Amino acid sequence: DGGITQSPKYLFRKEGQNVTLSCEQNLNHDAMYWYRQDPGQGLRLIYYSQIVNDFQKGDIAEGYSVSREKKESFPLTVTSAQKNPTAFYLCASSMQANYEQYFGPGTRLTVT
Amino acid sequence: QKEVEQDPGPLSVPEGAIVSLNCTYSNSAFQYFMWYRQYSRKGPELLMYTYSSGNKEDGRFTAQVDKSSKYISLFIRDSQPSDSATYLCAIGDDMRFGAGTRLTVKP
Repeated sequence: DGGITQSPKYLFRKEGQNVTLSCEQNLNHDAMYWYRQDPGQGLRLIYYSQIVNDFQKGDIAEGYSVSREKKESFPLTVTSAQKNPTAFYLCASSMQANYEQYFGPGTRLTVT
Repeated sequence: QKEVEQDPGPLSVPEGAIVSLNCTYSNSAFQYFMWYRQYSRKGPELLMYTYSSGNKEDGRFTAQVDKSSKYISLFIRDSQPSDSATYLCAIGDDMRFGAGTRLTVKP
């Protein structure tokens, strides 16, 4: 059963802690993406990767970091430098850049 | 000017109505367009993917691209209560999304 998984579904952290969100896909897609969604706003691109061991910053990369060591995995770390980390985080993948993107179920992060 | 503009609604229609959802974009060079449906607290689900201009139909859904006007539309025929969700347009060329239109279909 192919798809994209994100874990955990809900995550709670104290301010000042780094936290890593998991994203795995078994669709054999080359490209992967991380978005952030806030109430009343569309998805905003944090980072994307078109190939293993390479990734680019999106519109709101400050305070975030990623790695792409394996084709199927694209974890996102929310660092303590991110000023407003509480949000719904969505991971997506596509066969190649510009192709249709498929999304995971999302991780809701709450930082207090 | 935002790259992608989408009326956030909310939009409420009776069951069976034809729904029209729209987005405008700023760069006439864009060629890849997508529509997603997102239920509350879930990830977006791809509905339609279109390349360049023209229409694409899939069941009750029709996606339309007018590149000359930089305008994309999603039509839902015979709308159902299960269509109640937020609909997001997206530009594949630069991975930009509209803010989403929240639709409610009342039985």
